[in-house]
Order: sequence, then structure tokens, then C-alpha cells
Amino acid sequence: DAGVTQSPTHLIKTRGQQVTLRCSPKSGHDTVSWYQQALGQGPQFIFQYYEEEERQRGNFPDRFSGHQFPNYSSELNVNALLLGDSALYLCASSSTGQVNEKLFFGSGTQLSVL
Amino acid sequence: DAKTTQPTSMDCAEGRAANLPCNHSTISGNEYVYWYRQIHSQGPQYIIHGLKNNETNEMASLIITEDRKSSTLILPHATLRDTAVYYCIVPATDSWGKLQFGAGTQVVVTP
Repeated sequence: DAGVTQSPTHLIKTRGQQVTLRCSPKSGHDTVSWYQQALGQGPQFIFQYYEEEERQRGNFPDRFSGHQFPNYSSELNVNALLLGDSALYLCASSSTGQVNEKLFFGSGTQLSVL
Repeated sequence: DAKTTQPTSMDCAEGRAANLPCNHSTISGNEYVYWYRQIHSQGPQYIIHGLKNNETNEMASLIITEDRKSSTLILPHATLRDTAVYYCIVPATDSWGKLQFGAGTQVVVTP
């Protein structure tokens, strides 16, 4: 049983560009959450998708957007990249109706903005 | 989320028990305590959670004080692979999987 998979593993972009990160949740999970982790800090909640809609959102600008597909996979899009967007982006999945806070995380996408 | 306070770092000898404290004095009666850990270059990993009774699983034990204002995660026989940042989190009851990670405790297990 595959866990949460994220792609790509690493990515280098320049300021002003746009980036799309992808996530496939653990089998049987229907909810996907995205987190940003800057170097030396704990992960920060970006937003969460359930039933193809954004259910919750953290304190992130509109440059950060997402999507969830019918197969529960998800994308995170960041427009107009800033140097400060350099971070590890983590995807987590869970199953609504079970223990909502028991999340399964992927290994993340390391984004570097130059 | 209830605010949590953890020590910044701690060392533990391999094979010994590691006791990780966490203070959560503002916890509400129906809020759970969750523990996650993050090994370098990996995503966080769920360890255990509890409400008021002590809990044990294959990874660790969780001891919650009677007043629920603090808890201790116990790794019974620490190994080098347990070196990680450990996060104590108390999500709001309506958080629906939105977790607030603090800085956590950096645990280093030494031979």
C-alpha cells in the first residue's frame, strides 16, 4: 500500500515564475492538506481540500491556490514566486470520518526560488 | 489550538528511555493531545494521541496528567533512528486536520 506520494522531489524556479506541485494521497483517504515548512521551522498549514473544494485555509496569500481531483489527488499552485517561498512543501492525507488529526505526510517537495 | 510548550532540545543515550515533556495548560476538556515526529528530510510522522487516559502503541507511550495540563511522550528504548524533532500538538476540536506545529523538541540519541 503506497503512502502519500509527492512530485517532484526537488524544484528550482526563479522569482516571478509559477509552480505546480502534485500529491497523491494514501489509499482510502479523501482529504488532502498542504503545509509549508521553512528551514528550521515547523510546518505551517496552507489549506485543505475535501470533495474537490477548499475546506480550510491558513494565513497564506491568494498566490497560493490548489485543486483536488475526483481521484482525491491534489495540486498546489504558487504564482509570482518570491524568494521567501523557498521551503519544503508537504502534503498530508487523512480520511474524513476517522481521526481527522491523524495525518499521513509525504516526504515533500523542496522548492528553491532564485 | 491550545498553546503547547516543549523544551528546545534533549539528548538521550541509545537503549535508554526518552521522556519528552509538553505543557498545554490551556487545553479544553474535549481536546486531544497529539504527538508527531519529523526525521531529517522526511515528512512528519504520527506517533500517538490521547485524551485523558494513558496510551501505548508500538512506537511509544503517552502519559497525560490528571489535570491534563501536561503530558509526557515516552520512547521506551531509544535507538539512533529515533533522532528527530518531536512535536506536541493540541488541535482545536473543529480543526478537521489543521495542525499547528510549533518548534518542537530536537531529540538526539547518542551511541
